[in-house]
Amino acid sequence: AQKVTQAQTEISVVEKEDVTLDCVYETRDTTYYLFWYKQPPSGELVFLIRRNSFDEQNEISGRYSWNFQKSTSSFNFTITASQVVDSAVYFCALSAPNFGNEKLTFGTGTRL
Amino acid sequence: EAGVVQSPRYKIIEKKQPVAFWCNPISGHNTLYWYLQNLGQGPELLIRYENEEAVDDSQLPKDRFSAERLKGVDSTLKIQPAELGDSAVYLCASSLGSGRGYEQYFGPGTRLTVT
Repeated sequence: AQKVTQAQTEISVVEKEDVTLDCVYETRDTTYYLFWYKQPPSGELVFLIRRNSFDEQNEISGRYSWNFQKSTSSFNFTITASQVVDSAVYFCALSAPNFGNEKLTFGTGTRL
Repeated sequence: EAGVVQSPRYKIIEKKQPVAFWCNPISGHNTLYWYLQNLGQGPELLIRYENEEAVDDSQLPKDRFSAERLKGVDSTLKIQPAELGDSAVYLCASSLGSGRGYEQYFGPGTRLTVT
């Protein structure tokens, strides 16, 4: 079974502050993929990033950065110098396609 | 490049009535998904298509829900009859393929309200 936990239901930050959104996952598969999606008030889920289980390099894209740690089964997302446009619900998700489990298993989201 | 298109965006119906949602995936995307998103929750898969074949419909309540993807492009999801608990957002997504963790691209969703 797969599970994604986003313990932070809602986070409030002051503009220009940094914020980290936590994501903890569970899977028995050795090959899996992790994702982050943004859902603004308009409702459309926007793809942000995909990482596979064999690539633990952290990634930075502009003000966004992601920290993947297999040892703690975490895939955390940091926004630097937050802006009003960052206000949205952020979802972490997991898929393990090698065993036919192509579906995305989502966490419950963090409202920023 | 056009994204995933869904219609209608909003639908209000009375319970026991039928309703249908339509999805047009990104051109060239062979895999199509229908997800259900309840308020305050993440999306949950209802059905996945590879071309015109439904390869994972284990979460689809088949007594009242049905789906089809004729010709492997557009897809329709139907509920008949609708119940109050069906009020939710129905999301369609597509990806290039499956088996390699392809990212899924989502449409704007259809918000269904059953009264």
